[in-house]
Amino acid sequence: EVQLVESGGVLVQPGRSMKLSCAASGFTFSSFPMAWVRQAPTKGLEWVATISTSGGSTYYRDSVKGRFTISRDNAKSTLYLQMDSLRSEDTATYYCTTGGRNLFAYWGQGTLVTVSS
Amino acid sequence: DVQMTQSPSNLAASPGESVSINCKASKSISKYLAWYQQKPGKANKLLIYSGSTLQSGTPSRFSGSGSGTDFTLTIRNLEPEDFGLYYCQQHNEYPPTFGSGTKLEIK
Repeated sequence: EVQLVESGGVLVQPGRSMKLSCAASGFTFSSFPMAWVRQAPTKGLEWVATISTSGGSTYYRDSVKGRFTISRDNAKSTLYLQMDSLRSEDTATYYCTTGGRNLFAYWGQGTLVTVSS
Repeated sequence: DVQMTQSPSNLAASPGESVSINCKASKSISKYLAWYQQKPGKANKLLIYSGSTLQSGTPSRFSGSGSGTDFTLTIRNLEPEDFGLYYCQQHNEYPPTFGSGTKLEIK
């Protein structure tokens, strides 16, 4: 059974940094592109970033380019999202997903990031 | 970015009925439209991709149609577990973009 378990979501002040992790199991992690999708409170889904199987290619939405970094450790079957210079508009539940061909077939339960002073 | 306009925002129906949800893209996305279901306390679920291809495990009462800019998700013979939020998403190009969602409620 595919399992994606996110962690690291907390309350953080604007301008600060934090790092999310996603532990994957039940599938060959290194064979799948992975992605982060977020959902602000009471809002819809919004793609954030995608990483290729090797980690050699990454893609970001414009509003997080230069501030967020997606990475992966295939030996540990873990996906990461380093978030710097956080803004109030980054407040959301962040979901870890499998992301091949821009399709999000499997999702975690999400981790809540709140950016507030 | 491709804008996805989903309608209606809210929908109420009874078990056993059929419903349709529409999604319109701001430009042609060929057949590359996906549908997701979101329910509280459960992982989001990919139901349909490439307009009409059912993801493994999706019940046959779900169907998708359309191409270009106009797409429809139809659910026939509604079951109690079908009530929740539904999102469309274009997977034709970067950045992938979602519709604003349709809340399907029990009448």
